[in-house]
Amino acid sequence: DVKVTQSSRYLVKRTGEKVFLECVQDMDHENMFWYRQDPGLGLRLIYFSYDVKMKEKGDIPEGYSVSREKKERFSLILESASTNQTSMYLCASRHYGTPIEQYFGPGTRLTVT
Amino acid sequence: GDSVTQMEGPVTLSEEAFLTINCTYTATGYPSLFWYVQYPGEGLQLLLKATKADDKGSNKGFEATYRKETTSFHLEKGSVQVSDSAVYFCALGQGETSGSRLTFGEGTQLTVNP
Repeated sequence: DVKVTQSSRYLVKRTGEKVFLECVQDMDHENMFWYRQDPGLGLRLIYFSYDVKMKEKGDIPEGYSVSREKKERFSLILESASTNQTSMYLCASRHYGTPIEQYFGPGTRLTVT
Repeated sequence: GDSVTQMEGPVTLSEEAFLTINCTYTATGYPSLFWYVQYPGEGLQLLLKATKADDKGSNKGFEATYRKETTSFHLEKGSVQVSDSAVYFCALGQGETSGSRLTFGEGTQLTVNP
């Protein structure tokens, strides 16, 4: 089975802090994704990565950056956390060329105070 | 751009009731369609999928049929259980040339009471 893990289930940070969210997948997937989930808005794509060192902006990239130095790891960075970034963050991965479904991690609930 | 619209929630049913969650989409080309489920405190799991018109996806008693003429992919289950309580997301995905992105609906919270 595909396993996608995220570094923390719950995280509390202060406004202005730099925040790192880590995602690791164990199935050698090329594509990885970061979403945020908010009530009534569904999932919105922040960034995605086709492969190592490659990244593309999603629908809401402002205030975020990403890093993909190794195939199995995709990091989401909040350069200066703000209260409107309080949300659930979900990571996903998929193998290029397979059916389009993505495999999700358990999520990180981030609270910025 | 692509979009997915789900029926508004929350939905509350009694055990063994019939479930329908409506999903309609707007997309160019021939997308694949998905239903994902999110149980409390967990990430999303793929529930079922359909990759072309008239395909029926099914899993765990849930079904959905890809209807191109009505641009719909409604989720149904004949007899729900308390364990089906979760948030359900409809999604569409385009091909590799579009980065294999998924576009999600807003989610529908289902609560099933004993």
